Amino acid sequence: KNQVEQSPQSLIILEGKNCTLQCNYTVSPFSNLRWYKQDTGRGPVSLTIMTFSENTKSNGRYTATLDADTKQSSLHITASQLSDSASYICVVSSLGNAGNNRKLIWGLGTSLAVNP
Amino acid sequence: EPEVTQTPSHQVTQMGQEVILRCVPISNHLYFYWYRQILGQKVEFLVSFYNNEISEKSEIFDDQFSVERPDGSNFTLKIRSTKLEDSAMYFCASRGQGFPLSYEQYFGPGTRLTVT
Repeated sequence: KNQVEQSPQSLIILEGKNCTLQCNYTVSPFSNLRWYKQDTGRGPVSLTIMTFSENTKSNGRYTATLDADTKQSSLHITASQLSDSASYICVVSSLGNAGNNRKLIWGLGTSLAVNP
Repeated sequence: EPEVTQTPSHQVTQMGQEVILRCVPISNHLYFYWYRQILGQKVEFLVSFYNNEISEKSEIFDDQFSVERPDGSNFTLKIRSTKLEDSAMYFCASRGQGFPLSYEQYFGPGTRLTVT
């Protein structure tokens, strides 16, 4: 069964600190893995998208890694800010027919709170 | 920067009533999606739409649901006879065409549907 599991479920850190969020998936065939940031009551916003050939990708203070062999990904946030408080969702896309992306398989998200 | 817009932001309706949720995708995008997120749960795929027809739908998307692209800009989700369990945030998303843009889905801010 295609699944995406994230840990921890929630995390509290102090402003300025770093943190790492984890994602494990069992999705086949794999197309790409995305990390989204979702503020409370808002739509998800894409942070990174990685294909199986990409091991790491950065977007400002966000760095995502992907190990396609172990089917694990992580999102590292550097020098956290209060505005980083949000839910971070790992989403995996499987490869559909004729190379088209199929529907996305969503994780439950890690709720991050950055405190002053 | 172009963005997906959704209206209304919040809709309250009585059980059994019909609701139409509206979305304006990014103008040159060709693929359209509806997702829903029940409070505290994962984002769930409902339906994808391409070339004026449904390309895929989930088990949630039963006969009570329908989608339409009535003109060149709007993309709507209709729920014919709402149930209490339809209460959720409904997100519209769209994506363009051509690698790597084809991977990226852009989400609207969502419509919060409350069924009483």
